[in-house]
Amino acid sequence: DAKTTQPNSMESNEEEPVHLPCNHSTISGTDYIHWYRQLPSQGPEYVIHGLTSNVNNRMASLAIAEDRKSSTLILHRATLRDAAVYYCILRAYGGATNKLIFGTGTLLAVQP
Amino acid sequence: DGGITQSPKYLFRKEGQNVTLSCEQNLNHDAMYWYRQDPGQGLRLIYYSQIVNDFQKGDIAEGYSVSREKKESFPLTVTSAQKNPTAFYLCASSRAGQNTEAFFGQGTRLTVV
Repeated sequence: DAKTTQPNSMESNEEEPVHLPCNHSTISGTDYIHWYRQLPSQGPEYVIHGLTSNVNNRMASLAIAEDRKSSTLILHRATLRDAAVYYCILRAYGGATNKLIFGTGTLLAVQP
Repeated sequence: DGGITQSPKYLFRKEGQNVTLSCEQNLNHDAMYWYRQDPGQGLRLIYYSQIVNDFQKGDIAEGYSVSREKKESFPLTVTSAQKNPTAFYLCASSRAGQNTEAFFGQGTRLTVV
């Protein structure tokens, strides 16, 4: 399974943008890039996913490098409720390899 | 409402006893997954199932067993062979394919004393 690398922790101030990086240099051409976040003692929550083009939804934006070896999750205006562990995951193509393999993620702290 | 439900939220068992964790979904998803999470750690895949009556081992399947007799249900049994069963257990489901999002339950916190 292709691996992802994320910083262990990041800090942000409330109402400022946050850019969470993820490296995935061994990504294959059909792997989708997924982001989830997890609040303490809760199950992970889907944030966004993409393949090649940048993606936007109501929660965040996903910027994917042209060579697809890295991506960045962008929270446009951080709130205290965005404090969570953010996981960048590659989801591979085909049958049994559709499983989601989680790394250790980035713990985002948001300061008021 | 559609969703994925895990029960119970908290579970206490004596050492040496088998225990079964429930996971039910009404999202009509083909794929279901079980993960284990230890304090301060990421999620590790225990078992997954892509279709009814079929399942595969994940990275840490030893000491666990599953069944997938119905599309909606994917129960996990923590057996006495699991050396360190105290953990937070999470179930997830998704449609088939890598271009789909997964939905997670709220988890079961198992404590073995």
